[in-house]
Amino acid sequence: EAGVVQSPRYKIIEKKQPVAFWCNPISGHNTLYWYLQNLGQGPELLIRYENEEAVDDSQLPKDRFSAERLKGVDSTLKIQPAELGDSAVYLCASSLRPSTEAFFGQGTRLTVV
Amino acid sequence: GENVEQHPSTLSVQEGDSAVIKCTYSDSASNYFPWYKQELGKRPQLIIDIRSNVGEKKDQRIAVTLNKTAKHFSLHITETQPEDSAVYFCAASYGGSQGNLIFGKGTKLSVKP
Repeated sequence: EAGVVQSPRYKIIEKKQPVAFWCNPISGHNTLYWYLQNLGQGPELLIRYENEEAVDDSQLPKDRFSAERLKGVDSTLKIQPAELGDSAVYLCASSLRPSTEAFFGQGTRLTVV
Repeated sequence: GENVEQHPSTLSVQEGDSAVIKCTYSDSASNYFPWYKQELGKRPQLIIDIRSNVGEKKDQRIAVTLNKTAKHFSLHITETQPEDSAVYFCAASYGGSQGNLIFGKGTKLSVKP
């Protein structure tokens, strides 16, 4: 069974440019998360989806970040415009339902220069 | 708001010794407590989890204990091996359906041969 797939693995962009990350969760997993992980820190939740509904986006900086999960499967996370402080690893995770094991993807390492 | 404190931030043990990592949480409604292991450059992976209706859970050399009254939980690794070296994160559930996870800042465990 394939795990959570994210792309790209690495991305380097100049500040003020847009960037998008893509996530394909494990088949059948209704819950999808986007996390941000800074070096030496734990993952921080940005948004949680239940199927196609964003049930918690309270930590998503909505002035520059947006996300969507069309048809309740794949998801994209977008930043526009990117800032230097957005440099981090963006992790996607999925689970069958809330409060069950969350499986993480390999992450996208974003560097904003 | 929700918070998870994790201690220590670094832990160095000799191979064969035991390691203990402790976490405290703030939300008394939290009912799911997973522990993740993250090796350098890799994705976090679940090693054990516990729910609030259980006080202790064991899986081979790994055990987790939960004290709901004191709102703290601990990870115990016995007979440590060099391959146990990694960063360990505790997490606690919160939010609607207890579907969100808030992570601790991590403990870097080093097991010396």
